[in-house]
Amino acid sequence: NAGVTQTPKFRILKIGQSMTLQCTQDMNHNYMYWYRQDPGMGLKLIYYSVGAGITDKGEVPNGYNVSRSTTEDFPLRLELAAPSQTSVYFCASFRAGHPYEQYFGPGTRLTVT
Amino acid sequence: GESVGLHLPTLSVQEGDNSIINCAYSNSASDYFIWYKQESGKGPQFIIDIRSNMDKRQGQRVTVLLNKTVKHLSLQIAATQPGDSAVYFCAERKNTDKLIFGTGTRLQVFP
Repeated sequence: NAGVTQTPKFRILKIGQSMTLQCTQDMNHNYMYWYRQDPGMGLKLIYYSVGAGITDKGEVPNGYNVSRSTTEDFPLRLELAAPSQTSVYFCASFRAGHPYEQYFGPGTRLTVT
Repeated sequence: GESVGLHLPTLSVQEGDNSIINCAYSNSASDYFIWYKQESGKGPQFIIDIRSNMDKRQGQRVTVLLNKTVKHLSLQIAATQPGDSAVYFCAERKNTDKLIFGTGTRLQVFP
């Protein structure tokens, strides 16, 4: 199993540009999450999904969109990038019934200038 | 709301000593507490969890203690090794499928 994979690893965007952060898991997990981590801080939940076709907002959803058309994939879309979105983005997944044992991807480091 | 900080608190310990990392949580309704380890440039990794109806749980070289009276959680690492150097996060689950993460503590192990 590859676990949770994320692409790209690094990206620099100009203000106003758009991009999609990709996340894929091969563990057949129902639940998938997107977090952002600012320097020296904990993780903030952006969006999450409890299964294909179902998504919900987390603590900091503004400026982001998600979709979940398959169990494996949970892409995160930034439509109009702003400097405040400079952060490291982590995708995570877990099995239903074990929400505490989340498996995290390696992260995408995004800089908006 | 959550407390946030601009600088990570740091714990420096000598190799072989025991480490104790502390965390205060905010919601008495939380039913699960979890510790994660995050090495530089990597995603967080699950270490150990504890239910709210327990006060102690042991793993391999790690022990988590829960004091609900003062809303305090601690992670004890026995015989700390250089490979334990990382940022450690506590997280709480509030009867939903979402976790709330603390700001983290950096553990530095010196020889």
